[in-house]
Parts: sequence; C-alpha cells; structure tokens
Amino acid sequence: GAVVSQHPSWVICKSGTSVKIECRSLDFQATTMFWYRQFPKQSLMLMATSNEGSKATYEQGVEKDKFLINHASLTLSTLTVTSAHPEDSSFYICSASLGPRFNEKLFFGSGTQLSVL
Amino acid sequence: RKEVEQDPGPFNVPEGATVAFNCTYSNSASQSFFWYRQDCRKEPKLLMSVYSSGNEDGRFTAQLNRASQYISLLIRDSKLSDSATYLCVARHNNDMRFGAGTRLTVKP
Repeated sequence: GAVVSQHPSWVICKSGTSVKIECRSLDFQATTMFWYRQFPKQSLMLMATSNEGSKATYEQGVEKDKFLINHASLTLSTLTVTSAHPEDSSFYICSASLGPRFNEKLFFGSGTQLSVL
Repeated sequence: RKEVEQDPGPFNVPEGATVAFNCTYSNSASQSFFWYRQDCRKEPKLLMSVYSSGNEDGRFTAQLNRASQYISLLIRDSKLSDSATYLCVARHNNDMRFGAGTRLTVKP
C-alpha cells in the first residue's frame, strides 16, 4: 500500500528555535498533502492543506507566518515551526491522498512529537 | 458546534463484549466516511470505510444514515488488541474532518 514517511519522529528544542518536519510520499505522487496537529487526548486538527507548486491553504486560526509549509515537489512537503514556543509542543502529523476524488483514502505519516523547552 | 462529534468515552469493556460507537457530522455535503483507529502517539490507521448500505469486516460493522447524518461502528467479540481510540471521519472533496475520538479499553 501507499507509504508516507515523516521525519523526525520526535524533536526536543529550545524556545525560539525553528524546527522543520518533512513528509514524503514514497511510492506515489501526492499533489495534496495535509498537516494536522494533535494535543493530548484531543483529535487531529487540520492546520493546512499543502498543494504542490502553490501556496498552502491554512485553516482559520493557524498562523501562516509561524507554520511555514513548502510543497516543492510531488513527493515532499515540509512544515517549519518558526520561533517555537512551549505552547507549540504537540504531535504533528502529515497525510497524503492518492487522488482528489472524495473516496480516496488518506495515508498518514508516523507523526512528529515536538517538545519545546 | 464541532463538524464531527463523537462520544469521547472512555468505554471500558470486558473481553468478548460487544461495543458500539456513534458519530454525527454537521456538513450535509460530506461525501465519504471512514473509521480510523489510533493508538497512543501513533498515526491513525484506516479501519474501514462506511457505506450507506452498511458494511462489515470481520468483527467490525459500520453503518451510515445520511438522513440523520449519523455514523456508527459496532465491534463484536472485543479483543484486548482492540484497545485504542476510534476516530470518525467525514470527507467533502479534499476536506477531511475528524471527530475527537472515542477511547476504548478492553480488559481481561
């Protein structure tokens, strides 16, 4: 089946640093990837939809200048958390769909646990 | 109001029990529906799609009622390995909305 690789699995960083998370589709081309954030005991919250070759579409309340998304190729999307602060500590997870049709399943990366000290 | 609402649980059941989860969605234009399973600090994994006619996969049965905008998941003969959080998902085009999840613990 389709595989989505996400790195790193976990990051511990100091407040004020920037952290980049990579999401790769290994055996298919993903024109669209999705970035989610999940706080403990809460559901996945969509942060943004990343489209190859164009600007990401951010959900309401998500700061696009803080969460920089780049989707430069059909197999790679990156999320950069700029000037991270403790409140940004969360589980970040990406996903990709095999296609734009509504019945296409989502495949998830393994997630990145970010801890900001 | 959340777009997808689920009973958060937790549901604590003995092995062998039958347990049912419910979910409602607010976007009547939602086109497809899924149940995902998520273990702690892991990515969600697709459990099954949900069809209007209802569908079954082994011990798992999913139902969809479009008129009521209601989705259900039934687990029969619960196993210890079924312990996880179950996420209900409604999709409209490229927009997938997740419920907060229902936590299930199956005990010996």
